[in-house]
Amino acid sequence: DIQMTQAPPSLSASVGDRVTITCQASQDISNYLNWYQQKPGKAPKLLIYDASNLETGVPSRFSGSGSGTDFTFTISSLQPEDVATYYCQQYDSVPYTFGQGTKLEIK
Amino acid sequence: EVQLLESGGALVQPGGSLRLSCAASGFTFSSYAMTWVRQAPGKGLEWVSGISGAATSTYYADSVEGRFTISRDNSENTLYLQMNSLRPEDTAVYYCARDGEVLVTGLFDYWGQGNLVTVSS
Repeated sequence: DIQMTQAPPSLSASVGDRVTITCQASQDISNYLNWYQQKPGKAPKLLIYDASNLETGVPSRFSGSGSGTDFTFTISSLQPEDVATYYCQQYDSVPYTFGQGTKLEIK
Repeated sequence: EVQLLESGGALVQPGGSLRLSCAASGFTFSSYAMTWVRQAPGKGLEWVSGISGAATSTYYADSVEGRFTISRDNSENTLYLQMNSLRPEDTAVYYCARDGEVLVTGLFDYWGQGNLVTVSS
């Protein structure tokens, strides 16, 4: 199985800050990587697919980059409504696996 | 508007069985693969199982292989997860999600609201 290592586990930042989360795959997954946002008590929401493509309707302050084994998720200017847990997920091969999540809070 | 509505979650004893359902609307159900993802209380996301649009291919996580069966009724626009030999570690919120067009791809673009399954004596 492909292991996904996400960092940091938690993050506190101020409104307007640039926030970066990293995700590392245990083997080459090309660009088969998604990023999801999960707000408390809610279902996950797809934000980024194919490592860098923004899902329709998702604000442009969210972005993703990377390929192979190393990936980055960025919020360019943190907003109060971005408080959530963020997960990366590989879809190179079954079983599809998620990172452990990054809990993002406002400072 | 795409909608996915899960049902069937309950409290069940270890060793028991349960069937989850996911009613889909707002898209051509048979044209999309579907998947189940679960989340144990306070934990992260775990992919459980996926099925192609025509139900010709199914996939399972090792943790549920041989105990869970995914199926679908395209005439009723409904996805199912039959769960047998349930264990306490199966306790989780179970989400259904839409996968790729026809084939299982691992890209989950719409999710249901989730349904809680509790396995406890």
